[in-house]
Amino acid sequence: QVTLKESGPVLVKPTETLTLTCTVSGFSLSNARMGVSWIRQPPGKALEWLAHIFSNDEKSYSTSLKNRLTISKDTSKSQVVLTMTNMDPVDTATYYCARIMSVRTVNWFDPWGQGTLVTVSS
Amino acid sequence: SYELTQPPSVSVSPGQTASITCSGDKLGDKYACWYQQRPGQSPVLVIYQDNKRPSGIPERFSGSNSGNTATLTISGTQAMDEADYYCQAWDSSTVVFGGGTTLTVL
Repeated sequence: QVTLKESGPVLVKPTETLTLTCTVSGFSLSNARMGVSWIRQPPGKALEWLAHIFSNDEKSYSTSLKNRLTISKDTSKSQVVLTMTNMDPVDTATYYCARIMSVRTVNWFDPWGQGTLVTVSS
Repeated sequence: SYELTQPPSVSVSPGQTASITCSGDKLGDKYACWYQQRPGQSPVLVIYQDNKRPSGIPERFSGSNSGNTATLTISGTQAMDEADYYCQAWDSSTVVFGGGTTLTVL
């Protein structure tokens, strides 16, 4: 059974750096057909893609947030870490990680983690 | 940047067919996915590669993608299908989600 679980702080202060960890099980981060993505959702709003990383360490970031994001993985620990600098109250959201399935040129997100709500407030 | 546009809401009577659209420039040249998100839950993949259903997704869910529009169709809609639905596509190496559509079954 494939599962992903997000962990990190519930509350961060403005200007602080957020570090989130996605721990996966049921698949390996070295699998050539898979990757992991981070996606967030502010309360009552739509999904917003943040970043992803593939087994070959290929990374991509949201254009609007790339200056604040860093994604990395530790295959031996089955973990993918996302850091976001200079947090602001507008970054308050539920942060999800999701597995990327990749077959030839086709990619999709399945499954998703349960999400972790991060609130930015002083 | 690439954008996907969805209607904010769609209503359907139980047992009828619901259609949710997703519009984007030359979207038919890309692959579209659809995700269902029930209140308080994580998104679940219901359609990938335009029209493929993952294991465990009922046959009443189907998808199409042509021109500038992808469509999620739910045949014989049930009360349990009431949820938010998001379309998603890849634009080069980045990912775009639509703004989401709330499906109401009444």
